[in-house]
Amino acid sequence: EADIYQTPRYLVIGTGKKITLECSQTMGHDKMYWYQQDPGMELHLIHYSYGVNSTEKGDLSSESTVSRIRTEHFPLTLESARPSHTSQYLCASSEAPDQKNTGELFFGEGSRLTVL
Amino acid sequence: KNQVEQSPQSLIILEGKNCTLQCNYTVSPFSNLRWYKQDTGRGPVSLTIMTFSENTKSNGRYTATLDADTKQSSLHITASQLSDSASYICVVSDRGSTLGRLYFGRGTQLTVWP
Repeated sequence: EADIYQTPRYLVIGTGKKITLECSQTMGHDKMYWYQQDPGMELHLIHYSYGVNSTEKGDLSSESTVSRIRTEHFPLTLESARPSHTSQYLCASSEAPDQKNTGELFFGEGSRLTVL
Repeated sequence: KNQVEQSPQSLIILEGKNCTLQCNYTVSPFSNLRWYKQDTGRGPVSLTIMTFSENTKSNGRYTATLDADTKQSSLHITASQLSDSASYICVVSDRGSTLGRLYFGRGTQLTVWP
């Protein structure tokens, strides 16, 4: 089983609140990702990081921000939550692909955010 | 634009029966294709990976096939169990960059009834 953890698992908050979704992995992976998943839809990449102090926006525009101060930690922050942010957020990590490793993603169990 | 299409969208089968899930892709260039299983309320877990030169690969009761010419993959589940109820997601990686971009399908929701 993958050693990647997300907290909180469930969060219900009011509009305008600031929230931080935590993600930590103990596998020493350099690459980490945040995906957004809505029912019946494909996962959309919103942020990724190749290592400490490296963060990039993904394919799906998001008002959230991320930071990567430590290899194992990749938190996602929403400064002012809105109902449109209601979704499932999945954190993942992977080793850099090489001839032996083809970049399997290891996912956390997800954080389900509901903004009222 | 979704370059990975999965069918059916949902499927209900009785316990003990077999089933086959389909994945068609237009991703090019192609590096590899993975099948993930996502239980309700959990994160996806990799079941198997197919590279260009592989035609079939088994993982217990799961058998994946790949036809790189027609850009189709299938996941066959044998003797289904209640625990097989989950969403099965097809993910294709290109080799357009050193890090490989991933393209996700929308998944097939499988329900196994007793």
